[in-house]
Amino acid sequence: QKEVEQNSGPLSVPEGAIASLNCTYSDRGSQSFFWYRQYSGKSPELIMFIYSNGDKEDGRFTAQLNKASQYVSLLIRDSQPSDSATYLCAVMEYGNKLVFGAGTILRVKS
Amino acid sequence: DAGVTQSPTHLIKTRGQQVTLRCSPKSGHDTVSWYQQALGQGPQFIFQYYEEEERQRGNFPDRFSGHQFPNYSSELNVNALLLGDSALYLCATRNGNTGELFFGEGSRLTVL
Repeated sequence: QKEVEQNSGPLSVPEGAIASLNCTYSDRGSQSFFWYRQYSGKSPELIMFIYSNGDKEDGRFTAQLNKASQYVSLLIRDSQPSDSATYLCAVMEYGNKLVFGAGTILRVKS
Repeated sequence: DAGVTQSPTHLIKTRGQQVTLRCSPKSGHDTVSWYQQALGQGPQFIFQYYEEEERQRGNFPDRFSGHQFPNYSSELNVNALLLGDSALYLCATRNGNTGELFFGEGSRLTVL
């Protein structure tokens, strides 16, 4: 069973700080990685996807991928209270099936 | 551009009953996947439909079945409901170029 592991949190950061969310995966052959944000009672919303080793930046968000170490991270700069949510890491398997971690709860305190 | 739409948004059933959930994909998306998300967990893959056929299936019993129609919309059917089937059921459709999955708002099923 291929697995995706995340620290459940909650991760608490002050407003304006950098939030760092981490994810490890078991399948060394995985190629595509996704970060979703989910507010309570809502459906997951895609934040970023990354396929290549290194960093990918989009606004306040940076995804980092290290395939050799089998981890993916998401950095949120200048964290805002509106960033408070559960962040889901997902790995795409053959046939475009996503395997999700259980999610990390992020709380940004003003 | 309409997003992924699901219906109903909320429903309550009793054990042993049957339920049908519906999904209309994002415009231009022809692959529909269904996920079950229990409280405090990440979504779990149920199955995927493409060209009106089930292409992949997750670790779910045969009580879970589905269908895809020629217009790419899809249904998820669950028979003989159990208390443990209470969850948020998510439909996702795929951008064929980037592989991104877009989720609908979900159908929250409560089994009493």
